[in-house]
Amino acid sequence: AQSVTQPDIHITVSEGASLELRCNYSYGATPYLFWYVQSPGQGLQLLLKYFSGDTLVQGIKGFEAEFKRSQSSFNLRKPSVHWSDAAEYFCAAITGTASKLTFGTGTRLQVTL
Amino acid sequence: DAGVIQSPRHEVTEMGQEVTLRCKPISGHNSLFWYRQTMMRGLELLIYFNNNVPIDDSGMPEDRFSAKMPNASFSTLKIQPSEPRDSAVYFCASSLKWPSNQPQHFGDGTRLSIL
Repeated sequence: AQSVTQPDIHITVSEGASLELRCNYSYGATPYLFWYVQSPGQGLQLLLKYFSGDTLVQGIKGFEAEFKRSQSSFNLRKPSVHWSDAAEYFCAAITGTASKLTFGTGTRLQVTL
Repeated sequence: DAGVIQSPRHEVTEMGQEVTLRCKPISGHNSLFWYRQTMMRGLELLIYFNNNVPIDDSGMPEDRFSAKMPNASFSTLKIQPSEPRDSAVYFCASSLKWPSNQPQHFGDGTRLSIL
């Protein structure tokens, strides 16, 4: 079955440290991939997306993600985390034939000062 | 640019009452989605529309839930009668085209509490 896995439920990093959030997908074909961020009391905001081409994708707020077909992964990275990055992050995927966007269970990021 | 607009932001009502949630998608978007988010089940797609027509309502939990999209700029999700287990955050999202690589854009949600 098609699925998206975010292995880390909760991550804590210090402000200024680098960040990597993991996302793995299980699809027969390469899906379209998205990362969203959800701050408390708000909706999901799109950070970046990948559907073809350059496997390193730049997004908003200084985030980037790298698509690795061999590892079925689409990990989100940021070189230096800010306290305002504390939020929940969702990876999501869809193939061209499906109608439902499949979300991972989310990773909650805590940033310590 | 105006994003997806949902109202109300918060709703508290008693069990058995009718609840109506409203959504205005981004202008020009042809697809609209209703999601429910809970701690236990995460994000669940309830229903989605393309060009105002319901395409997939397999996520609608039961007959107490209904959704309409009378025109391209407005949709409602109705629960009648409401039950405490319906308490959740309900999100509306819209997309330029679906399914595709066009992302879904989410509103800020309606936090629903059924007492």
